[in-house]
Amino acid sequence: GAVVSQHPSRVICKSGTSVKIECRSLDFQATTMFWYRQFPKQSLMLMATSNEGSKATYEQGVEKDKFLINHASLTLSTLTVTSAHPEDSSFYICSASGQGGYNEQFFGPGTRLTVL
Amino acid sequence: AQSVTQLGSHVSVSEGALVLLRCNYSSSVPPYLFWYVQYPNQGLQLLLKYTTGATLVKGINGFEAEFKKSETSFHLTKPSAHMSDAAEYFCAVSENPADGLTFGKGTHLIIQP
Repeated sequence: GAVVSQHPSRVICKSGTSVKIECRSLDFQATTMFWYRQFPKQSLMLMATSNEGSKATYEQGVEKDKFLINHASLTLSTLTVTSAHPEDSSFYICSASGQGGYNEQFFGPGTRLTVL
Repeated sequence: AQSVTQLGSHVSVSEGALVLLRCNYSSSVPPYLFWYVQYPNQGLQLLLKYTTGATLVKGINGFEAEFKKSETSFHLTKPSAHMSDAAEYFCAVSENPADGLTFGKGTHLIIQP
């Protein structure tokens, strides 16, 4: 099946710094990538949708200037958390679609961000 | 707007017993429905999905779910629970194949030996 990877799997950073998370589709071309956020013991919340070569579409309440998303190629999307604060600590999960028919999203393993 | 309600944040069953995880949705158009499983510190794995056609959907690991439009439900079942089924289960809905998914809050399945 289709494989999506994320890097890094865990990151710890100081408050005020920026962190970049990569999401890659390893064996298929992802025309659309999604970024979700999951707080401990809670559900996933969609943050944004990105299509290759286009600006990302952010969900209501998600700060586009804080969570920068780039989808420059059909196999790579990046999420940059700018000026991170402790409340940004969360589990960030990406998914990618581009094959498999109806809304087949393949999820990455997630990135655990801890901001000190 | 679409939404998903999963009844029971925790469900405990004995090994070998029937597993029933409940999911109700709201959608203004015919929905696409999904069940995902998440093991600790891992990403989501698709168990099964309903798009169109047959309302009883069979998935991996012996799970199945039935789409009942009149009840706006998509409950997940497995005839006989196994210890390896212990995990977090998420029901999700989408109204458009190009959209992201709306997830329920999840149900933590506990298997008693």
